[in-house]
Amino acid sequence: AQSVTQLDSHVSVSEGTPVLLRCNYSSSYSPSLFWYVQHPNKGLQLLLKYTSAATLVKGINGFEAEFKKSETSFHLTKPSAHMSDAAEYFCVVSESLRRGFKTIFGAGTRLFVKA
Amino acid sequence: GAGVSQSPRYKVTKRGQDVTLRCDPISSHATLYWYQQALGQGPEFLTYFNYEAQPDKSGLPSDRFSAERPEGSISTLTIQRTEQRDSAMYRCASSLGQGTDTQYFGPGTRLTVL
Repeated sequence: AQSVTQLDSHVSVSEGTPVLLRCNYSSSYSPSLFWYVQHPNKGLQLLLKYTSAATLVKGINGFEAEFKKSETSFHLTKPSAHMSDAAEYFCVVSESLRRGFKTIFGAGTRLFVKA
Repeated sequence: GAGVSQSPRYKVTKRGQDVTLRCDPISSHATLYWYQQALGQGPEFLTYFNYEAQPDKSGLPSDRFSAERPEGSISTLTIQRTEQRDSAMYRCASSLGQGTDTQYFGPGTRLTVL
């Protein structure tokens, strides 16, 4: 059965320091994995997507994520946080089933960036 | 259109009233999804359409919830006899194909049931 666990509900970093948002998943087959960002009063925006090509995926705004099958993880990182990165981040797993497909969102991690 | 749009952006209604939410997907996209997002939670899948077909309704919480997409473009989500527990953000997304294609989200409709 599919599931997504975002290990931290809140993360606080100082501007200019690295960001790490953790995500673990379980999936029966070969999933596609996504990270979305949600700024206040805005829609969900795609940051990056993994689809069984390179395990290190680069996204927008300097974010990247590494797919580690042995650890069933897809953590999101950024070398240097910016104030504009303060938002909520969602890890998403999607997989094709015998009939149809299933998409599950994690509960979200709120990122705070201190000046 | 250029992006996914939803209307209204905010809806306040009284318990027992019916509400209808609208989603206008990206024009070239075959697949349209509805999600419900409670405060402090991630979006939860409700249903999806492939053009006008609705292959999966498994996420609809009760028979008070229904959705349609009669011409394979604009979709509506209707909640009958609203209850306070229906208060949430309702998000619509669309994708070019089905399955694990990237979904593009609209701004959402914030529903408050008093």
